[in-house]
Amino acid sequence: EPEVTQTPSHQVTQMGQEVILRCVPISNHLYFYWYRQILGQKVEFLVSFYNNEISEKSEIFDDQFSVERPDGSNFTLKIRSTKLEDSAMYFCASTRLQDQPQHFGDGTRLSIL
Amino acid sequence: QKEVEQDPGPLSVPEGAIVSLNCTYSNSAFQYFMWYRQYSRKGPELLMYTYSSGNKEDGRFTAQVDKSSKYISLFIRDSQPSDSATYLCATSGTYKYIFGTGTRLKVLA
Repeated sequence: EPEVTQTPSHQVTQMGQEVILRCVPISNHLYFYWYRQILGQKVEFLVSFYNNEISEKSEIFDDQFSVERPDGSNFTLKIRSTKLEDSAMYFCASTRLQDQPQHFGDGTRLSIL
Repeated sequence: QKEVEQDPGPLSVPEGAIVSLNCTYSNSAFQYFMWYRQYSRKGPELLMYTYSSGNKEDGRFTAQVDKSSKYISLFIRDSQPSDSATYLCATSGTYKYIFGTGTRLKVLA
C-alpha cells in the first residue's frame, strides 16, 4: 500500500539554525499538509498546500515557516530560525481530493538544543 | 470551549472486551469525522472516515456519528493486545483536521 515517507526520522539542531523537513507524499495525491505534535499534546494543523500555493495556515505558521514543493515528488517544511519551542514531532499528510481522508507519514522528531 | 474534546484515558480493558471511545465537537459546520490510531513514535494511521450521521463498520471497528448532539464514537469489538495504542478523533470542515487529545488504550492479555 502506498505511504507517505518522511526524512529524517530524527533531526537535532541548534537553536537559531535553519532546518528543512522532507516529505514524499503518495504519488497521485494533490493536497499536502504539515501538522505538529508537541510531546504529550494534540496533533495541530500547520499548513495546507494545493496547486503550488498555501490554501490555509494556522496562527502557528508564522514568518519563520515556509513550505515548498520543489519537484514532482517532494514536499518540504522549512523553519528559518529555530526556537526551543519548535521541538516537536512534525507530520506530513496528503490526500488525492479534499474530501478524502488524509494519510500521514511517521513524522520527523525535531529536537532543538 | 475546545473544538474537539476527548477523554485522554488511559483506558485499560481485558482482551476480548468491547471498547467504546468518544469525542464531542463544538462546531456544527464540521462535515468529516475521522478516527486514527497512533502507536508510540509513529504517525496517525487512518481507521475510519465518515461524512454523515449514522454508523460505519469495518471489521471489528464501528464508527458512529451523531451530528445533532455533536458526538462521535468508535467501538472496537473483540479487542486484542495489538489494539493497545492512542486513538485520535478528528473533524474537518475545510482543509485542516482538528484533533482531539487522544485516548490511550491498553488491552490486557
